[in-house]
Amino acid sequence: ETGVTQSPTHLIKTRGQQVTLRCSSQSGHNTVSWYQQALGQGPQFIFQYYREEENGRGNFPPRFSGLQFPNYSSELNVNALLLGDSALYLCASSLAQTGENTGELFFGEGSRLTV
Amino acid sequence: DAKTTQPTSMDCAEGRAANLPCNHSTISGNEYVYWYRQIHSQGPQYIIHGLKNNETNEMASLIITEDRKSSTLILPHATLRDTAVYYCIVRVYSGNTPLVFGKGTRLSVIA
Repeated sequence: ETGVTQSPTHLIKTRGQQVTLRCSSQSGHNTVSWYQQALGQGPQFIFQYYREEENGRGNFPPRFSGLQFPNYSSELNVNALLLGDSALYLCASSLAQTGENTGELFFGEGSRLTV
Repeated sequence: DAKTTQPTSMDCAEGRAANLPCNHSTISGNEYVYWYRQIHSQGPQYIIHGLKNNETNEMASLIITEDRKSSTLILPHATLRDTAVYYCIVRVYSGNTPLVFGKGTRLSVIA
């Protein structure tokens, strides 16, 4: 148990729709990052939030967006869903002193999206 | 792209030591070696990390060669529950750099 919870665990959407995935960080953690894991592949970094601001982004288009709330929980939003967005979406939390991700990441069990 | 190379799969007998190799020949001086594992249908789990000295914790040992171009993760007494995909990652310890996962090594522990 990492203390990182994600919802929903599974969901099915239609191409062109929008989806919101949610993540509750481990208590005391102020940084959250999101990863996409396609079947048979390692997780790929989407973006990271520290103190409610995005402070790092991977090679994902703008239709992937996020939010971090004052309680450090987070959302991942994906607009205009494509078939290729089908994947396991993982949230990870960590404690950073100055926005620098120095420690280990604690992952949730993911949200599996099928488009 | 991942800066590490790992074998695609390995088998290990239950109760024996599992030795998982990783090549990282382009590692920079300020990059650490991290190991995570992912058990089926779960999120990745941190195992251990190190810079140049060998490290040991309750889960595993990490042996890093003197030139730091390769490392080995050792699970001293593998159990069936250690069956997972193991990822070797190099990453700077500070900064906003994310984890860059490759495809990892699928370890199967056999009874």
